[in-house]
Amino acid sequence: AQSVTQLGSHVSVSEGALVLLRCNYSSSVPPYLFWYVQYPNQGLQLLLKYTSAATLVKGINGFEAEFKKSETSFHLTKPSAHMSDAAEYFCAVSDRGYGGSQGNLIFGKGTKLSVKP
Amino acid sequence: EAGVTQFPSHSVIEKGQTVTLRCDPISGHDNLYWYRRVMGKEIKFLLHFVKESKQDESGMPNNRFLAERTGGTYSTLKVQPAELEDSGVYFCASSQGLAGSITGELFFGEGSRLTVL
Repeated sequence: AQSVTQLGSHVSVSEGALVLLRCNYSSSVPPYLFWYVQYPNQGLQLLLKYTSAATLVKGINGFEAEFKKSETSFHLTKPSAHMSDAAEYFCAVSDRGYGGSQGNLIFGKGTKLSVKP
Repeated sequence: EAGVTQFPSHSVIEKGQTVTLRCDPISGHDNLYWYRRVMGKEIKFLLHFVKESKQDESGMPNNRFLAERTGGTYSTLKVQPAELEDSGVYFCASSQGLAGSITGELFFGEGSRLTVL
């Protein structure tokens, strides 16, 4: 069974500082991994996804994530935080349809990012 | 192009009452998903439609929940009778490919917040 652990329910950084949001996954098969973001009063939107091509994945708004199989991690980073990055971020894993499953997404609990001026 | 729309945005009902949530997916998206997030917890899968057929309803909590997708277009999620533990945010999402697949990108609505008193 797949699972996702996001360390830190709330992360606060200063504007211009590095953003690091942690995600560790558990999967019995090679996973696909996703980061979704929810801005205030909006639905979730896809930030980036890893689908077994390049291990370093670039997403929208300057975010990127690196798949590290040995560490079962898929941490999200951004070199310089902007006030508009304040949102809740969700990591998700999929078994991509192995073994007759539907390839549904399993989400973590989310991490709220605050950006201080 | 219109996104995924959900109605109502917020519903407050008393225990034992009935509530019906509606979701209009993006036109042309055969896959429609319902998820729920109880406060502070993960976003959890409820069920998945492909067109009008229920593909996977393994996440439905119990038989008080009934989901339909008329003609493969909009979907409704009825809770009858509602219990206190049903409170949370119900998200609908649609996609062209399967959610966790290489081509799948979920497009989420803003969610329907249900409060059961």
